[in-house]
Amino acid sequence: GAGVSQTPSNKVTEKGKYVELRCDPISGHTALYWYRQSLGQGPEFLIYFQGTGAADDSGLPNDRFFAVRPEGSVSTLKIQRTERGDSAVYLCASSPRTGGGEQFFGPGTRLTVL
Amino acid sequence: AQSVTQLDSHVSVSEGTPVLLRCNYSSSYSPSLFWYVQHPNKGLQLLLKYTSAATLVKGINGFEAEFKKSETSFHLTKPSAHMSDAAEYFCVVSAYSNYQLIWGAGTKLIIKP
Repeated sequence: GAGVSQTPSNKVTEKGKYVELRCDPISGHTALYWYRQSLGQGPEFLIYFQGTGAADDSGLPNDRFFAVRPEGSVSTLKIQRTERGDSAVYLCASSPRTGGGEQFFGPGTRLTVL
Repeated sequence: AQSVTQLDSHVSVSEGTPVLLRCNYSSSYSPSLFWYVQHPNKGLQLLLKYTSAATLVKGINGFEAEFKKSETSFHLTKPSAHMSDAAEYFCVVSAYSNYQLIWGAGTKLIIKP
């Protein structure tokens, strides 16, 4: 079956621009997570959705970052006024339920801000 | 609070020799622990997980890990390394909330022919 997909795989943008990163979770998975991974580090939690609602957005670094999941399936991570420090790989994961189980990861979107 | 420390940023072994990747954790509660693997330009894949059942956990591709509460460790081992094992390995603990994963910094495994 299809796994988690993310588009685009690579995104290059200029400082100050707006970007959207898309995540398509595994069908039927109610939980969706966004992480950011910088070079040489483990993934860093950004936000978690249960269904359509953001159950925990405590990992979003500032108000330039926002994410939505309007129909409880596809999610979009939005970054306004991008900065060079936003350059990283953005990972999306989904799971069939919350609580102690495996999260299934997409291949990530590599964002480069020039 | 939960935290994870991977004691080696790089481990280099010869093909056919044993692999040991070390992980120590800190948790105020009974933890769930995971090892994930990340091959170059591929997504993260779960190797194995511990969720308070047997302390010796067997995973995919011949890997296993042992939960040692007294040592707060969850080291990953494999008896005989294969070239295809070359990748980055992450030790992970789940937070009290159970959905938030706390990640170690990763260990890069290098396999010498």
